[in-house]
Amino acid sequence: NAGVTQTPKFRILKIGQSMTLQCTQDMNHNYMYWYRQDPGMGLKLIYYSVGAGITDKGEVPNGYNVSRSTTEDFPLRLELAAPSQTSVYFCASSWTVSGNTIYFGEGSWLTVV
Amino acid sequence: SQELEQSPQSLIVQEGKNLTINCTSSKTLYGLYWYKQKYGEGLIFLMMLQKGGEEKSHEKITAKLDEKKQQSSLHITASQPSHAGIYLCGADESAGNMLTFGGGTRLMVKP
Repeated sequence: NAGVTQTPKFRILKIGQSMTLQCTQDMNHNYMYWYRQDPGMGLKLIYYSVGAGITDKGEVPNGYNVSRSTTEDFPLRLELAAPSQTSVYFCASSWTVSGNTIYFGEGSWLTVV
Repeated sequence: SQELEQSPQSLIVQEGKNLTINCTSSKTLYGLYWYKQKYGEGLIFLMMLQKGGEEKSHEKITAKLDEKKQQSSLHITASQPSHAGIYLCGADESAGNMLTFGGGTRLMVKP
């Protein structure tokens, strides 16, 4: 099993550009999440989904959009990139919302200059 | 909303030494989870604690949850370079709630 796969691993964006972080999981999990990790700040939930066709905002959704057209895929869209979006992004999926069933991708390092 | 504070933020220890990382919540926890993140990689689940006073061990890592369910500690005995990484605690306030994460503790183990 590949688990949770996210791409790209590294990306440099110019201010105002847009991009999509891809995330796919092959475990048939209903729950999927996008987090961002800033130094010393832990993980902040951006968006999550409880199943195909259903998405909801987390703590820090501004400047991002998501879609969940299939169970496997949960892309994160950055529109009009800003320096404040420089961060490490993690996609995750789980069977339930409990923290012991969650699997994380390896992270995407994004720099906005 | 629930806040989790971890201490210390970073730690450098000599190989073979013991160490403790703390995670304190502003509210009573439903579940407390410890994760390890190797540098440049995703998070790996280590342990879950749910009952007040609960203690769990895996190899040389022991996690405890206090009776009031507001503080947890992660203790590593006889540290090794393989223990290096970032340790994060996560918690939920009730069943079905989204997780909140602490700021992480960066651990370096000097050979």
